[in-house]
Amino acid sequence: GENVEQHPSTLSVQEGDSAVIKCTYSDSASNYFPWYKQELGKRPQLIIDIRSNVGEKKDQRIAVTLNKTAKHFSLHITETQPEDSAVYFCAAEDFGNEKLTFGTGTRLTIIP
Amino acid sequence: DAGVIQSPRHEVTEMGQEVTLRCKPISGHNSLFWYRQTMMRGLELLIYFNNNVPIDDSGMPEDRFSAKMPNASFSTLKIQPSEPRDSAVYFCASSFFGTSNQPQHFGDGTRLSIL
Repeated sequence: GENVEQHPSTLSVQEGDSAVIKCTYSDSASNYFPWYKQELGKRPQLIIDIRSNVGEKKDQRIAVTLNKTAKHFSLHITETQPEDSAVYFCAAEDFGNEKLTFGTGTRLTIIP
Repeated sequence: DAGVIQSPRHEVTEMGQEVTLRCKPISGHNSLFWYRQTMMRGLELLIYFNNNVPIDDSGMPEDRFSAKMPNASFSTLKIQPSEPRDSAVYFCASSFFGTSNQPQHFGDGTRLSIL
C-alpha cells in the first residue's frame, strides 16, 4: 500500500518569513495530493490540492509543488501570519481506490 | 451550505457500553469515510462507502467495530463493547467520486472518551 512520509514534524517560523513542508510517497500510481490544515480541536480543512498532471499550483500565499519522478511534493507558505499556526497534513490518493493516505503531520508555529 | 454533520460532538461512557456515532454527508456526495485520530497513530481510515456500499473496511480494528450506511444521507459507526483504547476523535468525511479525484470534506468530529 501507499506510504507517505512528512517532514519536519515541527517547524517554528518568524512571522513574515516563509515555511516549507515536504512529503514523499511510495506508490507511483498516486495521482492526487491534498493538503489539510487542522487547528487545535478542529476538523482537518482542505487548503490546497494538486493533481499529477501539473507541477505547481498557487493560491495567494500558499503554493504546492509536485515532482512525480522523485515522488515528492511540498507545501510553501509565504509571508506567514499568526493564524497560520496549526498542524498541516499532506496526503496521497490513487484515483482507482479513493483512499487517502495521510502523512504524520507538521506542527507549524508562527512566532510574532 | 451545510457541511458534513456529525453527532454527538462529545461522548463519555464506561467501558463495555455500546457507542453509536452518526454522520450526515454533504448532499450530492456519493462517498463517505470514517477516520479515527489519535496522537499515537495519527489519522487512520477505518472504512469507506461508495453509493452506500462498503468498499474497503480493512482499517476497522476488530469485530467490535461496525459501520452502516442505510441511505445516501446517513451513516453510523458502532462500537460494542467499547474499551478505553477506543478513546479518540472520530471524523466522518464525504466526497463526490466521479471522473477525477475530488477533495474529502471533514465533519467536526466526535470526541469519544471510554472510562
